[in-house]
Amino acid sequence: NAGVTQTPKFQVLKTGQSMTLQCAQDMNHNSMYWYRQDPGMGLRLIYYSASEGTTDKGEVPNGYNVSRLNKREFSLRLESAAPSQTSVYFCASSFGTGNEKLFFGSGTQLSVL
Amino acid sequence: QKEVEQNSGPLSVPEGAIASLNCTYSDRGSQSFFWYRQYSGKSPELIMFIYSNGDKEDGRFTAQLNKASQYVSLLIRDSQPSDSATYLCAVKGMDSNYQLIWGAGTKLIIKP
Repeated sequence: NAGVTQTPKFQVLKTGQSMTLQCAQDMNHNSMYWYRQDPGMGLRLIYYSASEGTTDKGEVPNGYNVSRLNKREFSLRLESAAPSQTSVYFCASSFGTGNEKLFFGSGTQLSVL
Repeated sequence: QKEVEQNSGPLSVPEGAIASLNCTYSDRGSQSFFWYRQYSGKSPELIMFIYSNGDKEDGRFTAQLNKASQYVSLLIRDSQPSDSATYLCAVKGMDSNYQLIWGAGTKLIIKP
């Protein structure tokens, strides 16, 4: 009964390095999301995938790419990390994009030096 | 730009009292309103949601909407120390099929 599984939990990168955050859900949800959470700010949507095979930009997509590998998995890639990307990243899923009961993963604390 | 505003707190409430959390939103066409709870170092979890047509009560929690003044409230009755957390308000606009607009959250502390 894992729900949304997100890896890694912590990561430190140097400026310019790349990395991929992995996310998988076992609830047969159609929609998946990547958010970032910064102190004093609300959650901001980076990218979302309404259904398998589709991805769309959210509020803050610059510097990120995503892949909806299959219905279960949705990864987030930072091609060239920047200090401004230091944040806590959350993956989430829901049955549909109209269903706002979001189920969140445990988060990734990313620091870019 | 559509916004959701919350007082960052902390809001300190004695155990057993009523905690009242508020959230204002700028989009008058907003259709649905959500309250998520986030414990320190953890991920958000949904507590309640309401649509623009009415309030909702669930156990110790009540969500109320004031459309005229564009704010939504979360009331927690008989507050418990386990209610200490940050409460995030999220709003879905009429023209958005996917994107919630999130407030930065209010930190609630329940004092024993």
